Amino acid sequence: DIVMTQSPDTLAVSLGERATINCKSSQSIFSNNMNYLAWYQQKPGLPPRLLIYWASTRQSGVPDRFSGGGSGTDFTLTISGLQAEDVAVYYCQQFHSTPPITFGQGTRLEIK
Amino acid sequence: QVQLVQSGAAVKKPGSSVKISCQASGGSLGYYGFTWVRQAPGQGLEWMGRVFPKFNVKSYAQKFKGRVTFTSDESATTVTVELSGLTSDDTAVYYCARDRLSEDNVFELWGQGTLVTVSS
Repeated sequence: DIVMTQSPDTLAVSLGERATINCKSSQSIFSNNMNYLAWYQQKPGLPPRLLIYWASTRQSGVPDRFSGGGSGTDFTLTISGLQAEDVAVYYCQQFHSTPPITFGQGTRLEIK
Repeated sequence: QVQLVQSGAAVKKPGSSVKISCQASGGSLGYYGFTWVRQAPGQGLEWMGRVFPKFNVKSYAQKFKGRVTFTSDESATTVTVELSGLTSDDTAVYYCARDRLSEDNVFELWGQGTLVTVSS
């Protein structure tokens, strides 16, 4: 199984500043010229919300302050200009080698 | 606009079974895959498995094999998960999720979640 490891576990960023969350896969999730990685945002009491797929493609309706990058085994989710509504837990997910689909352990984003 | 509507919360005794339904309200099951993910209190997301109703294809996470069953009913636009042999470790919110595109394993649409509490 591919293990997904996120860092840090908790991140505190000031409003308006940039937040960067890292996600590392235990093996490459790059094939067919694509990275099989998605990012989700989860707020308390709600289901996850798809933000980004194919590592860098923003889901429809997601603000452009959210961006994804990286390739192979190392990926980032960047939130440029943090807003109060971005406080949430963020998860990465690989869909390259399935089953099983695996998620990172989550990164809690807070306001400093 | 299709929504995934899940059945309500359940309290179960250890050793019993629970069945959770997920209805694609406002649409059909189509050619999408449906995945079950659970989340224990304060914990992360755990993939349980998925079903592709159109072709009745199912896959299960190894840790749940033999204990979980996925079914689907196209006429009722519903997919269902049944988990047996419940223990306190199965206390969690269970989510169904639908692929963004057929079989792409990217989860665009989620149910609201169903809390299952296992307690004697």
